[in-house]
Amino acid sequence: GIQVEQSPPDLILQEGANSTLRCNFSDSVNNLQWFHQNPWGQLINLFYIPSGTKQNGRLSATTVATERYSLLYISSSQTTDSGVYFCAVGTSGTYKYIFGTGTRLKVLA
Amino acid sequence: DTEVTQTPKHLVMGMTNKKSLKCEQHMGHRAMYWYKQKAKKPPELMFVYSYEKLSINESVPSRFSPECPNSSLLNLHLHALQPEDSALYLCASSQVWTEAFFGQGTRLTVV
Repeated sequence: GIQVEQSPPDLILQEGANSTLRCNFSDSVNNLQWFHQNPWGQLINLFYIPSGTKQNGRLSATTVATERYSLLYISSSQTTDSGVYFCAVGTSGTYKYIFGTGTRLKVLA
Repeated sequence: DTEVTQTPKHLVMGMTNKKSLKCEQHMGHRAMYWYKQKAKKPPELMFVYSYEKLSINESVPSRFSPECPNSSLLNLHLHALQPEDSALYLCASSQVWTEAFFGQGTRLTVV
C-alpha cells in the first residue's frame, strides 16, 4: 500500500518564527488534506489540496502531485499552533484516506 | 455546517461489556469512516461505508461491529474488548472522493 512520510517528526519554535512541514507519498494520489490535531484530539481541517497552492491567513500549502509531495507553511507562529499536523492522502479506486506519520509542533512563548 | 458529532466523548467499559459509539452528520455525505488512534500514532482506518454499504473492512477483529442505519448515522458496536483496544475512536464523513470532516472522537478505556 501507499506510504506517507512526514518531516520533521518534531519541531520546536519560538513564537513568531516560520516553518515548513513536508509530506511525501509513495504513489499517485487523488486527494490530499492537511489537518491540525489539537491536544483534545480534534482533527481540524486546514487544507484540501490534491494539487496546486492555497493560502488561508498565516497558513499556506502546496502540493506537487507529479513529484509526490506536499508542503505546509506556517508563518509568524503562535502558541495556539502547537499540536500535531497530519497529511492524509487518498488514491484512485479506493475510499481510503491514509494518514502520514505526523509532525509534532511546539511553539514557545 | 461541517459538523460531525460523536457520542459519547469518553467511555470506560469492562472487558465483558457491550457498548456502542455513535456518529452523526447532516452534510449529505455518502461516505462515512471509523478510525482508531493510539497515543502518539496517526489515525488508522478501520471501516468505510459508502452509500450505507460496508465497502472497506481493514481486517478489524469481530469484537468491533459497524452499522450504518441510514445515510446520516454510523455506529460502532463494541463487545468483549481487550485493554489494548483502548484508544481514541474517530468518525469522519465525506462526499465520495472529496474533503473529509472528522468528529471530536470518543476516548475509550477498556478495564
